[in-house]
Amino acid sequence: AAGVIQSPRHLIKEKRETATLKCYPIPRHDTVYWYQQGPGQDPQFLISFYEKMQSDKGSIPDRFSAQQFSDYHSELNMSSLELGDSALYFCASSPFPSHEQYFGPGTRLTVT
Amino acid sequence: AQKITQTQPGMFVQEKEAVTLDCTYDTSDPSYGLFWYKQPSSGEMIFLIYQGSYDQQNATEGRYSLNFQKARKSANLVISASQLGDSAMYFCAMREGDSGGGADGLTFGKGTHLIIQP
Repeated sequence: AAGVIQSPRHLIKEKRETATLKCYPIPRHDTVYWYQQGPGQDPQFLISFYEKMQSDKGSIPDRFSAQQFSDYHSELNMSSLELGDSALYFCASSPFPSHEQYFGPGTRLTVT
Repeated sequence: AQKITQTQPGMFVQEKEAVTLDCTYDTSDPSYGLFWYKQPSSGEMIFLIYQGSYDQQNATEGRYSLNFQKARKSANLVISASQLGDSAMYFCAMREGDSGGGADGLTFGKGTHLIIQP
């Protein structure tokens, strides 16, 4: 079965640089979620989109922005990167309304 | 205040034994959903089981069952006949409103690191 696709899988950036993470949801899933998981931490919800509109907002820094496109893929844009942004970034998708969120493999971002 | 509390940072269990992972939650919303996810060392997050606040029966999915005690605000995960491949981090999570559906994000607990010993 098709799963959530995230690219890139690994990314290394320097402080103050920008990064763009991409997420391709499972086909026919119209809702996308972004989570950030720091080393040894639990996942923290950042933001979600339903039908290309922002649905819920969590602890997303102002330096980050995201959007969902007409083909339902989503991008998380991160600017002025800080060392503390180093984390595993998950995208999840679900059909609306649905209970389960299916997670992608994650993008591991390292900021040096 | 913590919305999801997992009091067992780590557990060691013998293979083939049953395992109970504790989870308590805090919400004033009468409508919510509770979730368990497994995160192996490889890093992916695997959905295991869901329980809605209005569900009358405890959820079950294969070897996983959720012991839902609403009055105690408890949602423990039970794994029957544990296997070596069950070794992983386990997260309890909650979503408030819409019986746990909708497009809102999940709030996770700190997790329990389960190690199954042969």
